[in-house]
Amino acid sequence: DIVMTQSPDSLAVSLGERATLNCKSSQSVLFTSNNKNYLAWYQQKPGQPPKLLISWASTRESGVPDRFSGSGSGTDFTLTISSLQAEDVAVYYCHHYYNAPLTFGGGTKVEIK
Amino acid sequence: QVQLQESGPGLVKPSETLSLTCAVSGFSISNVYYWGWIRQPPGKGLEWIASIYDTVNTYYNPSLRGRVTISVDTSKNQFSLKVTSVTAADTAVYYCARHERGLYTPLDSWGQGSLVTVTS
Repeated sequence: DIVMTQSPDSLAVSLGERATLNCKSSQSVLFTSNNKNYLAWYQQKPGQPPKLLISWASTRESGVPDRFSGSGSGTDFTLTISSLQAEDVAVYYCHHYYNAPLTFGGGTKVEIK
Repeated sequence: QVQLQESGPGLVKPSETLSLTCAVSGFSISNVYYWGWIRQPPGKGLEWIASIYDTVNTYYNPSLRGRVTISVDTSKNQFSLKVTSVTAADTAVYYCARHERGLYTPLDSWGQGSLVTVTS
């Protein structure tokens, strides 16, 4: 199984400041034949289901604010919130869909400082 | 716009079978998409349980040791999950979701979730 490790576990950032969330996979999730990273990021607010923010490591979903961006390749990935807003308080999960079993990271909780 | 809604008993006794259904609206389940179940124990992270395309193409998380069955009913536009021999460790919010396309694609639409508590 591919193990997804997220860091930090929690992060407190001032409004308008940058938040950087990390995700590391135990093996590469880059499929070399199509040069795609099989990695997604989700946002989960209390009492709500996860919401897909970023797919294929860096493709922002329709309607997701452009302050959210994804980067990285192979085994190391980053979700960046360029200017944290109050509505961004949530837990963020990375997820690989490279092979079965599909797995998720343990999550990073983002709070306002 | 696709919508998913889970339904099923909120309480299940230990050793019994947990059964959940996901009703899909605004989209035909017969289209070329995979559909899945994911669970989240209270206060914890997400665990993929199983995904299905049709009665032949089903995939399971080995961690559930053969206790899980996923099925699809195209006539009712819904898919279902059964987990046998449940214990307290199966207490979780169960989500149904749609894959963006194939199995190895992200989960782009989710239901609101159904809390299942295993208790005697």
